[in-house]
Amino acid sequence: AQSVAQPEDQVNVAEGNPLTVKCTYSVSGNPYLFWYVQYPNRGLQFLLKYITGDNLVKGSYGFEAEFNKSQTSFHLKKPSALVSDSALYFCAVPYFGNEKLTFGTGTRLTIIP
Amino acid sequence: DAGITQSPRYKITETGRQVTLMCHQTWSHSYMFWYRQDLGHGLRLIYYSAAADITDKGEVPDGYVVSRSKTENFPLTLESATRSQTSVYFCASSDAGFSKNIQYFGAGTRLSVL
Repeated sequence: AQSVAQPEDQVNVAEGNPLTVKCTYSVSGNPYLFWYVQYPNRGLQFLLKYITGDNLVKGSYGFEAEFNKSQTSFHLKKPSALVSDSALYFCAVPYFGNEKLTFGTGTRLTIIP
Repeated sequence: DAGITQSPRYKITETGRQVTLMCHQTWSHSYMFWYRQDLGHGLRLIYYSAAADITDKGEVPDGYVVSRSKTENFPLTLESATRSQTSVYFCASSDAGFSKNIQYFGAGTRLSVL
């Protein structure tokens, strides 16, 4: 079965420092991978996706994600964290080629001023 | 640009009561989804729909019923609410084709079953 794992429930980063939110995947075939963000009292919002090609994917709000096939990882990154980046982050993978998504359990990112 | 709206935003009900959560989207997206979000579980898919009159079970469908008579509406009904159904419920929609899997979420309904 297609699945993703987020090994950290909570990540704390000082404002201005680089941030990384980790995701590993287990899929059959070529992976399609997604990151979503959830701000307080809101629904999830799409951030970025990897389908094929360049291993570094750029998304919204200055975020990027690095696809690493050998480590089966798709970590979310940002060079300089903002307090407004504090939110819950989910990685996701589609079920076998269809429109359903399986989400990770989420990582709460807190940026400390 | 209304997008996708859920109602009510908050609901308190009692065990055994029937509750319907509403979801409406203005994009004419083909696909619609219902999720529940619980601490430690992330989002779990309850039901989804590929088009009007086409629905299918997700990961945790027991105790829930859906219908989709019109493309834009996808109500979720708890036929006899239980305390374990206390959760935050999200509706989402997505288009077909290249942008599939980019799901757009409503703001959620926080349901408490007493």
